[in-house]
Amino acid sequence: DAKTTQPTSMDCAEGRAANLPCNHSTISGNEYVYWYRQIHSQGPQYIIHGLKNNETNEMASLIITEDRKSSTLILPHATLRDTAVYYCIVRVTGNQFYFGTGTSLTVIP
Amino acid sequence: DAGVIQSPRHEVTEMGQEVTLRCKPISGHNSLFWYRQTMMRGLELLIYFNNNVPIDDSGMPEDRFSAKMPNASFSTLKIQPSEPRDSAVYFCASSLNPLGGGTDTQYFGPGTRLTVL
Repeated sequence: DAKTTQPTSMDCAEGRAANLPCNHSTISGNEYVYWYRQIHSQGPQYIIHGLKNNETNEMASLIITEDRKSSTLILPHATLRDTAVYYCIVRVTGNQFYFGTGTSLTVIP
Repeated sequence: DAGVIQSPRHEVTEMGQEVTLRCKPISGHNSLFWYRQTMMRGLELLIYFNNNVPIDDSGMPEDRFSAKMPNASFSTLKIQPSEPRDSAVYFCASSLNPLGGGTDTQYFGPGTRLTVL
């Protein structure tokens, strides 16, 4: 069962930061927050994950609230190639990934 | 490094025929997953293996589906006989189960788009 809530769709102007929210109010202490994205017709692509602290890599930043009940994925400078469905997933290591329906992000020129 | 490799990328077959999908996980990974994606049901886990042993096949829809992992670098998903409702994109993913903590991020292949006429 999906334990996350995400908006169905969002738009973002090219070159601007895309901020994708995710609610996970029932998250437990040992559950990680993962983000994947799926560009049309391709396999899901891993973006980033975190437990408590904010994380940053070459693709994105992950901001997790102090109470861990929500998080935000930030794409700092969105490009047209970032148009995709973004999935927020919470899970304990070793458990299944439940992908839910995600947020369809459209980057507008 | 090559990622997860799947073949064929596209398969069109007729109802009743046997279909075999193939997957090569990332070298060194010890877990392998088969998923199916449809518009109606989204991305569903069918089965996963750990160290070549099937751990959970509760997602396999019915006896027409079977999966094997004869060694650490190869797995197959077979449908026999195939039906039109099996039309979907089938993804394979692999991960490295951490010992003593850490996370097991899954990495996905490009998928096989199956059409059963």
